[in-house]
Amino acid sequence: GQSLEQPSEVTAVEGAIVQINCTYQTSGFYGLSWYQQHDGGAPTFLSYNGLDGLEETGRFSSFLSRSDSYGYLLLQELQMKDSASYFCAADTGRRALTFGSGTRLQVQP
Amino acid sequence: GAGVSQTPSNKVTEKGKYVELRCDPISGHTALYWYRQSLGQGPEFLIYFQGTGAADDSGLPNDRFFAVRPEGSVSTLKIQRTERGDSAVYLCASSRDGQETQYFGPGTRLLVL
Repeated sequence: GQSLEQPSEVTAVEGAIVQINCTYQTSGFYGLSWYQQHDGGAPTFLSYNGLDGLEETGRFSSFLSRSDSYGYLLLQELQMKDSASYFCAADTGRRALTFGSGTRLQVQP
Repeated sequence: GAGVSQTPSNKVTEKGKYVELRCDPISGHTALYWYRQSLGQGPEFLIYFQGTGAADDSGLPNDRFFAVRPEGSVSTLKIQRTERGDSAVYLCASSRDGQETQYFGPGTRLLVL
């Protein structure tokens, strides 16, 4: 089967840094994506790691270690608008993504 | 340019009825995906189209669910004899061929009473 595990909730304060971890067990693996979803909104693409290492896009960075079947999303200089759910999603080679159950991030003032 | 659009945004129906959900992908995107998302969960894959053909329909839960994309653009997800357990947000996404980034629409919130 395919499974991606991530914490259900994370709380942090404005201006802080937060890391959301994702471990995966899949029968095939080509890369890990991260999506943001505000309540009632559409999932929005944040980043993709096809290779091991760190990808940086503005305040957001994402990391992948294939040997550890592990990745994380790092959010820096947190803002109130970053309060949302964050999903890791695996590309298992079948084009469709397999999503984790999501991490709800609450940013407090 | 316009993003992925889905209609209706909300649909309330009675158990046993038939519903159709529509998705307009981003122009030029050959790949189209349907997902279903229950409250507090991540999107769950239903079906993937490459052009007009369903390349992978392994996520459809049973034969009450069917989807078409006759001209390789707009897609319709059809659900027959709806059940209360079908209540969820149905998301559509599209992508350029060969690219991993999927662009999602706002979803259709289906409620089966």
